[in-house]
Amino acid sequence: AQKVTQAQTEISVVEKEDVTLDCVYETRDTTYYLFWYKQPPSGELVFLIRRNSFDEQNEISGRYSWNFQKSTSSFNFTITASQVVDSAVYFCALSFSNTGKLIFGQGTTLQVKP
Amino acid sequence: EPEVTQTPSHQVTQMGQEVILRCVPISNHLYFYWYRQILGQKVEFLVSFYNNEISEKSEIFDDQFSVERPDGSNFTLKIRSTKLEDSAMYFCASKASGGYRGTDTQYFGPGTRLTVL
Repeated sequence: AQKVTQAQTEISVVEKEDVTLDCVYETRDTTYYLFWYKQPPSGELVFLIRRNSFDEQNEISGRYSWNFQKSTSSFNFTITASQVVDSAVYFCALSFSNTGKLIFGQGTTLQVKP
Repeated sequence: EPEVTQTPSHQVTQMGQEVILRCVPISNHLYFYWYRQILGQKVEFLVSFYNNEISEKSEIFDDQFSVERPDGSNFTLKIRSTKLEDSAMYFCASKASGGYRGTDTQYFGPGTRLTVL
């Protein structure tokens, strides 16, 4: 079965704390793609990062970093020095078919308090 | 920067009525999608569309739903006879190609909130 699990429903941190959002996926395919999207209170879905199954390099973009580990089927997302503007729902998603449909996790609501 | 647009932003309708949700994908994109998100829940895939035909659809996408690309720029989702449980945010997305390179990212529109009374 193809599945994405985000076990953390809600996380609350104080500004400037680091926070890691967990994502575990299941797929039988050897070629697949993993994504993180951010959904701020305004409701739109904002693309953050895409990772291919054959590229396990970690990535850092400013305060954001991603740790992809095929051995544990995980694709975790860390925000360093969190800010109030980071408050949002974050979705991890998996794409594996030729059509590219996305399978989303349940999302993690991150609240960053000042 | 090119973006996906959707109209209307909010649609209120009576149960049993037909609604059409409209999307304008990014202009050079070839793959189009509809997703829905019931309030407070995860985003669910409805349908994908490529080369003027449906390439994949989910169990949610039953006979009440249809999609069309009528004029080469718009991409529409029609719900023939709305039900209360169709109330949700509907997102349109597009991507450039099916390849694995950087073009394989889906970009989403801002969504249409459908409320069925």
